[in-house]
Amino acid sequence: DGGITQSPKYLFRKEGQNVTLSCEQNLNHDAMYWYRQDPGQGLRLIYYSQIVNDFQKGDIAEGYSVSREKKESFPLTVTSAQKNPTAFYLCASSPAGNTIYFGEGSWLTVV
Amino acid sequence: SQQGEEDPQALSIQEGENATMNCSYKTSINNLQWYRQNSGRGLVHLILIRSNEREKHSGRLRVTLDTSKKSSSLLITASRAADTASYFCATTSGGSNYKLTFGKGTLLTVNP
Repeated sequence: DGGITQSPKYLFRKEGQNVTLSCEQNLNHDAMYWYRQDPGQGLRLIYYSQIVNDFQKGDIAEGYSVSREKKESFPLTVTSAQKNPTAFYLCASSPAGNTIYFGEGSWLTVV
Repeated sequence: SQQGEEDPQALSIQEGENATMNCSYKTSINNLQWYRQNSGRGLVHLILIRSNEREKHSGRLRVTLDTSKKSSSLLITASRAADTASYFCATTSGGSNYKLTFGKGTLLTVNP
């Protein structure tokens, strides 16, 4: 099936730990994105990548890092520098801008 | 920064009624899109309207765009309980169609 796969669905992080959320797409899309959503809120852009080996900061990049070594993959690392990481994280992709397609999201909770 | 602001924040209607949601934005846009999100799930694209278009239809959905007022509306006709979800508008602006900025959404509840 074509689509965007995020894993894990649920993740718990201890204070001071880095965690990595996986995002894989088989839609052959050039662009990929990471958004953060807090309860009852809209989506805020963390990072996006238009092509392999290139990415740009979004509106809330502090405390996060990404890589884009392959077209299909865009992992997000939530570092210990992110002081309030508990949120719903959404990965997305698009064919050169315009409509974007979302994965099912990952819930991250700090314990 | 949030470009779009949806109104109302929450809307509750009966099945069969029409639902109208509005989106206002601050700067000139390239296009405006509407997405739907069921609770705890990813977003699903509904419709895209370009800055030079005024109205688009897709099934029971009708979207209008008024660039002079920097606003858009989403109308869902003959609503169903399955339409219960959050609806978000999103815009691209400037030289990039990659950076999509979302509003905070309208939570629509359709009562059977």
